Amino acid sequence: VQLVQSGAEVKKPGASMKVSCQASGYSFTTYGISWVRQAPGQGLEWMGYISTSSPTTNYAQKFQGRVTMTTDTSTNTAYMEVRSLRSDDTAVYYCARASTVVPPDYWGQGTLVTVSS
Amino acid sequence: DIQMTQSPSTLSASVGDGVTITCRANGSISRWLAWYQQKPGKAPKLLISKASSLKSGVPSRFSGIGGGTEFTLTISSLQPDDFATYYCQQYNIYPETFGQGTKVEIK
Repeated sequence: VQLVQSGAEVKKPGASMKVSCQASGYSFTTYGISWVRQAPGQGLEWMGYISTSSPTTNYAQKFQGRVTMTTDTSTNTAYMEVRSLRSDDTAVYYCARASTVVPPDYWGQGTLVTVSS
Repeated sequence: DIQMTQSPSTLSASVGDGVTITCRANGSISRWLAWYQQKPGKAPKLLISKASSLKSGVPSRFSGIGGGTEFTLTISSLQPDDFATYYCQQYNIYPETFGQGTKVEIK
């Protein structure tokens, strides 16, 4: 099982970012994808979950309206877009394989997104 | 939201010591509790799911116990590779939430 994320990005406040997460080594539609972020020197923050077998998403309240999670089953890739970026969105963003009864068990390598003017 | 509180925040120990980390939820999460290990600059690694189920490949010196609102992670004999930060996570109800982390450092 492997999840490979897109590379680091630098964004200006107010811009948008989109991180990709390509999965391999398992049947993509058997598990969903969770997204978790970690600000510098801080703990882990769950952002949301997307099913890969149905149009179901669950977002943490604080990200509702600003985050969109999608998947492309033809390429086994998950995406997360965050809009209206602020400096406190600077963090490492992780994708992870998960399901409603399985916690994130395999994680991507992380994508550092820096928001700075 | 379910709030997860870990204690202690930092733990100083020596190789060979047994250590215990506690995780408390402010509401019942049954046994839907996971433990992770994270080293600097690396993604978290799942150690335990369903409160006590050790992930394949994880050394048996790691163990978890608990249910409802109180859970513990025990490392029976610390090894040099175990010095890291540990997080608990509840996945009983959305939003899933993490504890603030416990850093296990060398004494």
